[in-house]
Amino acid sequence: DIQMTQSPSSLSASVGDRVTITCRASQSLISYLNWYQKKPGKAPKLLIYTASNLQSGVPSRFSGSGSGTDFTLTISSLQPEDFATYYCQQSYSPPYSFGQGTKLEIK
Amino acid sequence: QVQLQESGPGLVKPSQTLSLTCTVSGDSISSDSYYWTWIRQPAGKGLEWIGRIYPGGSTNNNPSLKSRVIISVDTSKNQFSLKLTSVTAADTAVYYCAREFVVVTAMRHYYYYLDVWGNGTTVTVSS
Repeated sequence: DIQMTQSPSSLSASVGDRVTITCRASQSLISYLNWYQKKPGKAPKLLIYTASNLQSGVPSRFSGSGSGTDFTLTISSLQPEDFATYYCQQSYSPPYSFGQGTKLEIK
Repeated sequence: QVQLQESGPGLVKPSQTLSLTCTVSGDSISSDSYYWTWIRQPAGKGLEWIGRIYPGGSTNNNPSLKSRVIISVDTSKNQFSLKLTSVTAADTAVYYCAREFVVVTAMRHYYYYLDVWGNGTTVTVSS
């Protein structure tokens, strides 16, 4: 199975900050990597698919990059509604494992 | 728009079988553009991919759950279901159903992502 590791596990930032979250896979995913936002009591929300494609309706301050084993999610200017937990997920080979999550908190 | 809704018992006794159903509205579960997937999240922990089913009946399950997972589809009711046998307290979680969109590129590469989710249902395993 493919192991996904996110860093950092938690992050404190302020509104307006630029934030980057990293996801590393135990083997090459090519670009089969998705990002989700999860808020307490809510279903996860797809942000980015296939590493860099912005899901319809997601603000353009979110962006994704990377290929192979290393990927990043960047939020260019944090908004109050962005404080949540973020998960990467590989869709290269089942089981489609998730990273352990990065909790983004208000500083 | 497409909506998914999980349903099933919120309390299951240890060693019994957890059974959940996901009802899909606004789209046909028989479409060849999607897989239908189950994911769970124990309290305070991350997301775990349980398994998925294609309308034709093919499935992929998470080996970490051994052979306890059965996923099925009922196209006449536009539903798919999860059965998890021999449950323990470790199976206590919020269970989500989701639609897995399948994109096929010109080079015949297949991309998958979970684009629509149900709200989740809490299942507690306790006697």
